[in-house]
Amino acid sequence: GESVGLHLPTLSVQEGDNSIINCAYSNSASDYFIWYKQESGKGPQFIIDIRSNMDKRQGQRVTVLLNKTVKHLSLQIAATQPGDSAVYFCAETPPFSGGYNKLIFGAGTRLAVHP
Amino acid sequence: DSGVTQTPKHLITATGQRVTLRCSPRSGDLSVYWYQQSLDQGLQFLIQYYNGEERAKGNILERFSAQQFPDLHSELNLSSLELGDSALYFCASSPRGAPRETQYFGPGTRLLVL
Repeated sequence: GESVGLHLPTLSVQEGDNSIINCAYSNSASDYFIWYKQESGKGPQFIIDIRSNMDKRQGQRVTVLLNKTVKHLSLQIAATQPGDSAVYFCAETPPFSGGYNKLIFGAGTRLAVHP
Repeated sequence: DSGVTQTPKHLITATGQRVTLRCSPRSGDLSVYWYQQSLDQGLQFLIQYYNGEERAKGNILERFSAQQFPDLHSELNLSSLELGDSALYFCASSPRGAPRETQYFGPGTRLLVL
């Protein structure tokens, strides 16, 4: 399928290595964050989320870390596999969203896994 | 598979034309969201509906409109199309449209305006 974000930053890793994808978010008062994975030709797929009252949350092979001091979010993928190759987006819910579910997406990072 | 369906998968049309994109949310979800994804701007929120009512508007052009029907499916209408409207259009859904609910995305409609 057509590539999304042809000029996205790319992280290249070897299969089996751990990957760390970083995201700087915009609003210091945002209280909810999500990581999405988008494979070529598909829609974004939910990976993991974290609320602002947490610093770390673990899922299956993934860990999200939140550093509110520097407005930084990271996604760690353990034992990266070829199927992890995709574009990864972080998204935040800003405060005062008026009671609706507004998400602001980051620009995305392309993860390329090499055998 | 997220459970959100979108049709058509691909759409090619000419400038000045009008198209309608369709979305069916996950079973049980009452809220639908539309996003535009272009190569140079990432995912941009367009509009949200909840149970047939408009809930929030984002960066949606006046040439674009949407609605959610009683059966909860939603349509995004794009009119007076311009070359710059070429993009991927995604629909997402969530149970109640409340803050911090996970949004589940459909496979998207790829629109090409020639």
